[in-house]
Parts: sequence; C-alpha cells; structure tokens
Amino acid sequence: QKEVEQDPGPLSVPEGAIVSLNCTYSNSAFQYFMWYRQYSRKGPELLMYTYSSGNKEDGRFTAQVDKSSKYISLFIRDSQPSDSATYLCAMSAGGAGSYQLTFGKGTKLSVIP
Amino acid sequence: DSGVTQTPKHLITATGQRVTLRCSPRSGDLSVYWYQQSLDQGLQFLIQYYNGEERAKGNILERFSAQQFPDLHSELNLSSLELGDSALYFCASSPGDSEAFFGQGTRLTVV
Repeated sequence: QKEVEQDPGPLSVPEGAIVSLNCTYSNSAFQYFMWYRQYSRKGPELLMYTYSSGNKEDGRFTAQVDKSSKYISLFIRDSQPSDSATYLCAMSAGGAGSYQLTFGKGTKLSVIP
Repeated sequence: DSGVTQTPKHLITATGQRVTLRCSPRSGDLSVYWYQQSLDQGLQFLIQYYNGEERAKGNILERFSAQQFPDLHSELNLSSLELGDSALYFCASSPGDSEAFFGQGTRLTVV
C-alpha cells in the first residue's frame, strides 16, 4: 500500500461547479498537510497548508483534514477554466528538523467553459 | 513567482555524462529540498539541506549528490547518467517547517 493515495482522474467539470479532490494516507505520523497546484511542466504552487485536523478556507478553496480517517480533501467553489491543472496532495510528519513531503500522484482537473 | 530560482530550465545530455543543477532559495530560507518528478513515480523526495548541512535523505541514488553553500544556494550533481534519470528535478525552499515553495524545475533529458 502506498503511503499516500490519490485518484489520478482525469476529472472534468463545467465552469462554476464545486470540485472535490481527496487523498487518503496510511502513515499516522503525518501532521502537516498541503495542497499544491501544478500547471503543465511548471513547478508545484502551494495552495493550502494545514497543521493537524480541521478546516481551512482561503477564497474559493477549502481544505479539510480528518486524521481519524486519514483522509484529506480540497474543495474548489465556483471553479474557473484557469483552475484546470493537476492538484497534488502532500504530507509531512515533521520532526528532527526535516519536513520532507510525501506526495500523492496528483489529480488532473479540467474545468470546461 | 515562488522566489526559488532553478537553472538551467532544460538540459539534454548523453548517457554516462555528469550534470549539475543549481537552486537559489527564497531570501531567508535556510532549508533546501530536492525532488524528482517522473511520469510513473510522481514527485519523490531526494535530499534536504539545512543551513549548509545535510538534514535528511530520501530515495537518492549513490550516483547523485548535493551540497548547500554558505550563501545557501544548492547544487544537485547527477553522474553516470542513465536513460531512466530523465525527469523533472525540483528544488524547494522552506523557512524551517513544512511550508515548502518550489522552483520551476530543471527538465533533464538523457539520450
């Protein structure tokens, strides 16, 4: 079993739809959770950063972490064609001064005008 | 723009050769991480440096090495290159926690 599982999609939605992206993980030591957006052949861009369980909202984006279920989600409201990209979840246990990230393989999202 | 600069953007080289990838972190960030992204493996952690010292190692091959200099820029050296080393190599910097900011990557093609 991989440490982080993420459905690769592709996911295609109409403009204005609510998008739900998810990851599950197996390592209970993970306590830092991130979502990155990656456009084709570009560097990952940090969207959301959450420590431990709970919700975090930033504009049209909401990140949720449920550590008891080892499940994290990213919701995108009022999706736009410019949101079309690959979304990567990432996690870290931290500790000993190292916060190396373990990534999901990414979900490719297309928002159709 | 994340503030992390990587050079070169593209690199084409032959098998058996050696290349050096360079990364300048965001101003003030002491941690530098290197990641490899391939189509089949996704983003994989290679190695981390913190203020000039190696802090953590991931799935980094013995043919690969890295260092961080006093001005905090970092270099990733890849030697005895094989076709399978073709990938995107990313550098990320962090102020000291998990909030990592990625550069635009170096696309390495080994022919």
